[in-house]
Amino acid sequence: DADVTQTPRNRITKTGKRIMLECSQTKGHDRMYWYRQDPGLGLRLIYYSFDVKDINKGEISDGYSVSRQAQAKFSLSLESAIPNQTALYFCATSDSRTGRKETQYFGPGTRLLVL
Amino acid sequence: AQTVTQSQPEMSVQEAETVTLSCTYDTSENNYYLFWYKQPPSRQMILVIRQEAYKQQNATENRFSVNFQKAAKSFSLKISDSQLGDTAMYFCAFLNYGGATNKLIFGTGTLLAVQP
Repeated sequence: DADVTQTPRNRITKTGKRIMLECSQTKGHDRMYWYRQDPGLGLRLIYYSFDVKDINKGEISDGYSVSRQAQAKFSLSLESAIPNQTALYFCATSDSRTGRKETQYFGPGTRLLVL
Repeated sequence: AQTVTQSQPEMSVQEAETVTLSCTYDTSENNYYLFWYKQPPSRQMILVIRQEAYKQQNATENRFSVNFQKAAKSFSLKISDSQLGDTAMYFCAFLNYGGATNKLIFGTGTLLAVQP
């Protein structure tokens, strides 16, 4: 079984709809991240959470919100989807308590299309 | 601000040969990490190799090795004995050790095609 899972894997929605992307992990890591990948731009950080009560904005947080329901779950919401939010979204985790706290492990990604 | 540059948008190599992917970065920090991630057509982001900036020895992982030149701010990836399964997009990434966000900064990627 995958250590970091994302649901759904693919999603098509319409402009103005609210949608939620979910991330779960069984790695026992305390830190979780949401990134967005656009063609030609690499990945960019949307939000990050160092524990359940510590949530912070990344470089492109406008139009997004997150919820850390438990140490293992971190959800990303698009409050009112717009077409330029069409992208591939990745969840990642890392563990601050080990000697590899800087290393992030990624989920399989969610491809989102906003019409 | 830190930046990561991958100047080769696409590369091609014959199976069993060696290929080197280039990456340069810009930072004023002294303590940081560098990574290469692989993204095959399945879209999964897979960690290939990591390098601590304070270590002079180049990291190696089986057929993958890096040439880390700290003064030149260069971090290239060498793939030996290329295999068809190495076909993927490769991303170079930087992380500032001890930074507030633990944010990975990615380059724009190099698409590697391994030809039979």
